[in-house]
This record gives sequence, C-alpha cells and structure tokens, in this order.
Amino acid sequence: ELKVEQNPLFLSMQEGKNYTIYCNYSTTSDRLYWYRQDPGKSLESLFVLLSNGAVKQEGRLMASLDTKARLSTLHITAAVHDLSATYFCAVDRDDKIIFGKGTRLHILP
Amino acid sequence: GAVVSQHPSRVICKSGTSVKIECRSLDFQATTMFWYRQFPKQSLMLMATSNEGSKATYEQGVEKDKFLINHASLTLSTLTVTSAHPEDSSFYICSARTGGGNQPQHFGDGTRLSIL
Repeated sequence: ELKVEQNPLFLSMQEGKNYTIYCNYSTTSDRLYWYRQDPGKSLESLFVLLSNGAVKQEGRLMASLDTKARLSTLHITAAVHDLSATYFCAVDRDDKIIFGKGTRLHILP
Repeated sequence: GAVVSQHPSRVICKSGTSVKIECRSLDFQATTMFWYRQFPKQSLMLMATSNEGSKATYEQGVEKDKFLINHASLTLSTLTVTSAHPEDSSFYICSARTGGGNQPQHFGDGTRLSIL
C-alpha cells in the first residue's frame, strides 16, 4: 500500500525565514505533485516532478525530487505572509493520486 | 485551458435529503474523473474513479449505494449523496483527466456540503 508522509504537519514561521517541508513515500511512483490549498478553496497545482533529481522553482518556492530516497522537498525562501496556506504533496500510483496529510503553514508578519 | 467546473459550490440541506453535485470539464474531454472527500483539517481522500461510460470504481470503505456516481458523457460526471446525514457533511472535490495516467488531473473548485 502506498503511503505518503509529510512533515512537519504544522509550521509557524516568521516572515523572511527559510524552511523546508519534507515528503516521503513508500513505493515507487511515476510522478510527485505539490499543491497549495487556501482555506475553503480547492487545490492549486504548484509543481509536478517526474524524474530523479528534478528541481523546479516558482518565486519563493522550490521543489526537488530524489526517487532513490523516495523523498521530495518543498523549500520556502524568505517567506512572506501570502504563502500562508496548506501544502500537500501527492504521489501518482496505478492511475490514482494519493495525498499526504498536508502541512499547514502559518507565516507571521 | 483545462478548466473543471463544479456545481453547486455550497449546499445546505436537511438530513435525509439526496444531493447531486456536478463536475464538468469545460474545454477538454475527461475520459476519467475522480471524486475526493475532505473533512476539516484533513487530507483529500479518494472516494471513487469513474471512466466515461463505465461503472465507477469505489475505494475501500466507500458505500457505492450511498454515493452514486454517473459519468455519462466525456464532459460531465455527477456524484449523488443519497439520504445524506450530518456525518456526510464535508468538502467534495472532483478532478478530471483526459487520456491515460500520464496526463495531469485538473481539480474543480469543490462543493461544501452541510447536512443539518
């Protein structure tokens, strides 16, 4: 059974600081996704990572994938309040997407 | 492109009512649609996968007689929560995909269902 584990599950941080969210998954997968969810809203796709060593960056967010370690990271650089949200990683297996529990990120001004 | 529309966005109804939620792909043909449920402060849990013209495949623990899914066309899938009870209150999100598993899923805006 595919399991996707994120940590931390909750993160409160000051603006301007850097931090990393980790996503481990238990079996091989073709794709790894990062999504953002604002309260009361649906998912916004941030990144799709397809291969070992893949790195993608958008603004203050950077995602990477290590398929050998079955680990993906989402790095936040110089956090700003607007990045406060819940971030989910998800893994594609057998045509299904399995989500982690999410990381609730709260950035203090 | 790749817009998925969900309707309604919010439903409040009495216990025992049946509620239908629509999921439409507006600018592409959705060969596969997925239905998720999300309880407050929890992750998305896949309920079922539906392929156009076929019966839906339900995940373990999801009652197929309670959550009726119809995917009669390439642009529309519906989820009907039959005889809804307060414990069915949740955020329901659909996603749609065209083609095979290497194609991305596009998510709808979700439906907030509240059963009184």
